[in-house]
Amino acid sequence: DTGVSQNPRHKITKRGQNVTFRCDPISEHNRLYWYRQTLGQGPEFLTYFQNEAQLEKSRLLSDRFSAERPKGSFSTLEIQRTEQGDSAMYLCASSLGDMGPYEQYFGPGTRLTVT
Amino acid sequence: AQSVAQPEDQVNVAEGNPLTVKCTYSVSGNPYLFWYVQYPNRGLQFLLKYITGDNLVKGSYGFEAEFNKSQTSFHLKKPSALVSDSALYFCAVRDVTGGYNKLIFGAGTRLAVHP
Repeated sequence: DTGVSQNPRHKITKRGQNVTFRCDPISEHNRLYWYRQTLGQGPEFLTYFQNEAQLEKSRLLSDRFSAERPKGSFSTLEIQRTEQGDSAMYLCASSLGDMGPYEQYFGPGTRLTVT
Repeated sequence: AQSVAQPEDQVNVAEGNPLTVKCTYSVSGNPYLFWYVQYPNRGLQFLLKYITGDNLVKGSYGFEAEFNKSQTSFHLKKPSALVSDSALYFCAVRDVTGGYNKLIFGAGTRLAVHP
């Protein structure tokens, strides 16, 4: 399977714990995005990488959130001191560069439940 | 600011009948528009896009969409619905504010196709 993969698929954690999610994009894609989707809503942009550089962060990404893409391949999203409001589906997507074709390809998501 | 509206929370249609899922947008500049579909507990799957050219674009699984600049709409259509088309559909617009390529999604429309 050459699509975007995410691990774990589900994570249940207690409030105050730290969690880390991993995303492996499509291999030739140099752009990687993280989105968050809550029930009944469309995905909301969190952050964007071009190769290993994190070029944009949403105001939704509080100081408790950090993302990395150390070698321009896989990416991790860490949430420190989780809160119940962090419960959501975290989606990763990847795409090719500036000249298109512009659509983003999404992974299956990691569903986080904070108890 | 770029935005997308999906005015219907749910669309019900009988199998074999044509379906339309509505989307309107607000952007500065030329719009890059996308439709995605989401099945339960899955990530988003890309269906089709409008970048430039013909106002009627064709995509995966027999879906098509009509771009109407004067009405700022990008409605998703299919001539004959299948029960398997039942899913959550998202319209999105490319947001290049700040220079980067993130997607702004609508809230989604649930399509229910009845046998």
